[in-house]
Amino acid sequence: GEDVEQSLFLSVREGDSSVINCTYTDSSSTYLYWYKQEPGAGLQLLTYIFSNMDMKQDQRLTVLLNKKDKHLSLRIADTQTGDSAIYFCAETPLNYGGSQGNLIFGKGTKLSVKP
Amino acid sequence: DAMVIQNPRYQVTQFGKPVTLSCSQTLNHNVMYWYQQKSSQAPKLLFHYYDKDFNNEADTPDNFQSRRPNTSFCFLDIRSPGLGDAAMYLCATSRDLGTPYEQYFGPGTRLTVT
Repeated sequence: GEDVEQSLFLSVREGDSSVINCTYTDSSSTYLYWYKQEPGAGLQLLTYIFSNMDMKQDQRLTVLLNKKDKHLSLRIADTQTGDSAIYFCAETPLNYGGSQGNLIFGKGTKLSVKP
Repeated sequence: DAMVIQNPRYQVTQFGKPVTLSCSQTLNHNVMYWYQQKSSQAPKLLFHYYDKDFNNEADTPDNFQSRRPNTSFCFLDIRSPGLGDAAMYLCATSRDLGTPYEQYFGPGTRLTVT
């Protein structure tokens, strides 16, 4: 199938690290993305990683990619209440029969940050 | 400073009554997309325009149509909305097709069908 899998909920305390995990479907995906959706807002690109990389760091965000297991994770260091949102993992599989550049999203992980 | 604007933010329509959702962009991007996002589901691409070229996803129902009269505007027409079409509809744009061109999303229009 073409489902990108994510756990639906994650709850952390302010100041802790959050790790959101994703399993994608197609090893041909050249780029993998993390999008953030705040309540009432559209999706915002947080970061992306090229498939020949194992890790990418951008300030508080660290993306880890295990291409063998088709596993992607997003770590948010020092999580703040403003990080509360839904986080979507997405891939762009070359073997997908749809449109070029089509984003295939997971269902999203709702991150709740408690003070 | 809004870059991708969707109107209205909330739309209520009756079963079977045609409805049009609107999207506009100030980015001058070549590509505009429409996604459907049902509650607790992943956004699902319905179709996209590359300039004036329309590309329909294979599993998009015929009930859904789109128009792009110019670079800035794109419309989603639902000819006969059913209860199952209630969802958030997201418009997005990108400078070009393919990766890694970032897609910029609007805030969405939440459609309710009564």
